[in-house]
Amino acid sequence: DADVTQTPRNRITKTGKRIMLECSQTKGHDRMYWYRQDPGLGLRLIYYSFDVKDINKGEISDGYSVSRQAQAKFSLSLESAIPNQTALYFCATSDALWDTDTQYFGPGTRLTVL
Amino acid sequence: AQTVTQSQPEMSVQEAETVTLSCTYDTSESDYYLFWYKQPPSRQMILVIRQEAYKQQNATENRFSVNFQKAAKSFSLKISDSQLGDAAMYFCAYRSGDSNYQLIWGAGTKLIIKP
Repeated sequence: DADVTQTPRNRITKTGKRIMLECSQTKGHDRMYWYRQDPGLGLRLIYYSFDVKDINKGEISDGYSVSRQAQAKFSLSLESAIPNQTALYFCATSDALWDTDTQYFGPGTRLTVL
Repeated sequence: AQTVTQSQPEMSVQEAETVTLSCTYDTSESDYYLFWYKQPPSRQMILVIRQEAYKQQNATENRFSVNFQKAAKSFSLKISDSQLGDAAMYFCAYRSGDSNYQLIWGAGTKLIIKP
């Protein structure tokens, strides 16, 4: 079984709709991240969480919100989706104490906003 | 601010040959980590190899090795005995060694393997 899972894997929605992307991990890591990837670009950080009560904005948080429901779950919401939020979204996890805090990624969610 | 540059948008190599992907970075820090991630058509982002800046020895993982030149701020990835399954986008990433968790990413290099 995958250590980091994301649901859904693909989603098509319409402008103005509320969308939630979910991430779960079985690695036991304390840190979780949400990134987006656009064609021809590297990943950009949206939000990150170092534990359940510690949530922080990344470089492109506008238009997004997150919820850390448990150590193993971290969801990303688009309150009112717009077409320029069409992208590939990745969840990642890391452990601050081990493994040089290396980030491990889920399989990604491809989101299309029409 | 730190930046990561991958100057080769696309590279191709014959199967079983060796290829080197380039990455340079800009930082004023002395303590940091460098990573290569692979993104195959399945789009999963997979860690290939990592290097701690304080280590002089170049990291190696099976057919993958790096040439880490700290003074030149260069971190190239060498893939030996290229296989069809190595075809993917390869991303170089930088992370500060302090409490800053954030990964700084290059734009990626598309690697094509010719059979």
